[in-house]
Amino acid sequence: SAVISQKPSRDICQRGTSLTIQCQVDSQVTMMFWYRQQPGQSLTLIATANQGSEATYESGFVIDKFPISRPNLTFSTLTVSNMSPEDSSIYLCSASAGRGMTDTQYFGPGTRLTVL
Amino acid sequence: KQEVTQIPAALSVPEGENLVLNCSFTDSAIYNLQWFRQDPGKGLTSLLLIQSSQREQTSGRLNASLDKSSGRSTLYIAASQPGDSATYLCAPKRNYGQNFVFGPGTRLSVLP
Repeated sequence: SAVISQKPSRDICQRGTSLTIQCQVDSQVTMMFWYRQQPGQSLTLIATANQGSEATYESGFVIDKFPISRPNLTFSTLTVSNMSPEDSSIYLCSASAGRGMTDTQYFGPGTRLTVL
Repeated sequence: KQEVTQIPAALSVPEGENLVLNCSFTDSAIYNLQWFRQDPGKGLTSLLLIQSSQREQTSGRLNASLDKSSGRSTLYIAASQPGDSATYLCAPKRNYGQNFVFGPGTRLSVLP
């Protein structure tokens, strides 16, 4: 299993500023992901954080808006840049642990972001 | 592109009832499928993972089944309790190392 922590747990930010969210896993994992959950909605994948290379973004998400770092196998950051009220969401870090078909996905507690 | 639906969208039951939550997915070529619960304002907790070669998995009062050929999974909750109140999400995965695709969830409320 994997235990995932995120910082900050919540923040209130002004329009036009940026926020960096940190994600720490208690063990080395192959895959790390960042999701967004808008109010009342299910989870949408933003990107896969690749260790040592650029993240892989899903359609509708771009690196300039959501730069991601993953310097090692246990840590990743997501930055929400030039924020607008539409970016108000819960941002969730996730990691896959296990081998083969027992590959299980674990989630952090989320970062609740409110943009004024 | 994988699409996942969950029925019902919301469910309210008295304590003690047995429940069935349904999940359907359009692409049956899945690697495994995971059921999660999410409490309001919180992250996701993994409940059960079913490998594509398996028919069902059990954990305590929870039993998840998988019919890959028809693109369906069900989560059975026995003797429901108020503490089971949460949103339940179904998520199939296409290949090892890839992300899960999430359904919209079933919001469950178990009344004392």
